[in-house]
Amino acid sequence: QSALTQPASVSGSPGQSITISCTGSSSDVGGYNSVSWYQQHPGKAPKLIIYDVSNRPSGVSNRFSGSKSGNTASLTISGLQAEDDGDYYCSSYMSYTSDILEFGGGTKLTVL
Amino acid sequence: QVQLVESGGGVVQPGRSLRLSCAASGFDFISYGMHWVRQAPGKGLEWVSFISYDGSKKYYGDSVKGRFSISRDNSKNTVYLQMNSLGAEDTAVYYCSRDSRIAPPGEDYWGQGTLVTVSS
Repeated sequence: QSALTQPASVSGSPGQSITISCTGSSSDVGGYNSVSWYQQHPGKAPKLIIYDVSNRPSGVSNRFSGSKSGNTASLTISGLQAEDDGDYYCSSYMSYTSDILEFGGGTKLTVL
Repeated sequence: QVQLVESGGGVVQPGRSLRLSCAASGFDFISYGMHWVRQAPGKGLEWVSFISYDGSKKYYGDSVKGRFSISRDNSKNTVYLQMNSLGAEDTAVYYCSRDSRIAPPGEDYWGQGTLVTVSS
């Protein structure tokens, strides 16, 4: 059982927007702004798409955005495209002083 | 450019041992902590272990504690994962990744992964 809770699956049609939630606790997600989101396609390593809750690495589409409220972080993908189909994981360190990483169980996004 | 290359995976019998390596290049290895993360077939990501930049701090996930051991050789820019008493539940792709907390914002690197299959 993962420390961070994500929905198992979400789906949307091209052009639509979807949001994936990631619920943790007051010490990890809620404790400080170090939530990351990863996109993974089959057979590939995870790719960072959001870091520190709401920041996009260079080269990541601005269709991806992140936010946080309390102990729940969210990833929103707007203007869905076929290439967004894949698995998405949130991650956070256990606490501000911890070196232990936690991952969500992953969410399978299906673009209809 | 930053590269992380895992090796050492393969098929191993239950109860046996295996050592994975992760060779790093393109950055100041001695300054960074390193993680091992695994992914069982069809499953999600699971954090396995962390070692600090100087090897003084080591942490393990509950499922591998007491069986796996992480180490590093800064002269060879390599981090290792010694896996003992392997069971079917350890079958997974194992990735090494660089601790991103001291890196320039948004920089995050993972290797391509190495597959470990525990089977008789």
